[in-house]
Amino acid sequence: SQKIEQNSEALNIQEGKTATLTCNYTNYSPAYLQWYRQDPGRGPVFLLLIRENEKEKRKERLKVTFDTTLKQSLFHITASQPADSATYLCALYNQGGKLIFGQGTELSVKP
Amino acid sequence: NAGVMQNPRHLVRRRGQEARLRCSPMKGHSHVYWYRQLPEEGLKFMVYLQKENIIDESGMPKERFSAEFPKEGPSILRIQQVVRGDSAAYFCASSPVQGPDTEAFFGQGTRLTVV
Repeated sequence: SQKIEQNSEALNIQEGKTATLTCNYTNYSPAYLQWYRQDPGRGPVFLLLIRENEKEKRKERLKVTFDTTLKQSLFHITASQPADSATYLCALYNQGGKLIFGQGTELSVKP
Repeated sequence: NAGVMQNPRHLVRRRGQEARLRCSPMKGHSHVYWYRQLPEEGLKFMVYLQKENIIDESGMPKERFSAEFPKEGPSILRIQQVVRGDSAAYFCASSPVQGPDTEAFFGQGTRLTVV
């Protein structure tokens, strides 16, 4: 079955640095991959979608890459701020048409 | 356009009682998904419904759990005879269409506590 794996260890970085989160998937070759943000006690919020023929996608301080050979997506936040502290989830539609999520990586940006 | 509305936000049930979780999708959205999230874990898919039809319930336990999305009214996730292990956050998401390039819009969740 299709699996998505994210680094379950929390990522702690200093304000102003670039945060890089990793998402790996197995047993599937999705055409699209999505990233969401989830704050404590709240539902996930969609951030970005990247297509398999796009190597990179940017939105303000966010950048996502999609390497279909490595079966990996990287999510970068440049010039990070304490307000970026949250859990970030990657997601894809599996072969059954369901949107499935990784377990998320908690990011903490210290001032 | 109001977002996805879930109620109640918090629900406490004693073991053996029934829990009913409601989800009103965004206006114009006919696709609804339910997920369960345990502390420190990711979102686990439970069921996918489209108006009046269950499309995929592969992630939902066969016993005690049921879901519906009637022609009129909200989608309902029903848990009968709740047990302590049912304690979790339940999230509903909706989308206007279904497809791999479609973003899902989530509600704020219902936090179920079974005592």
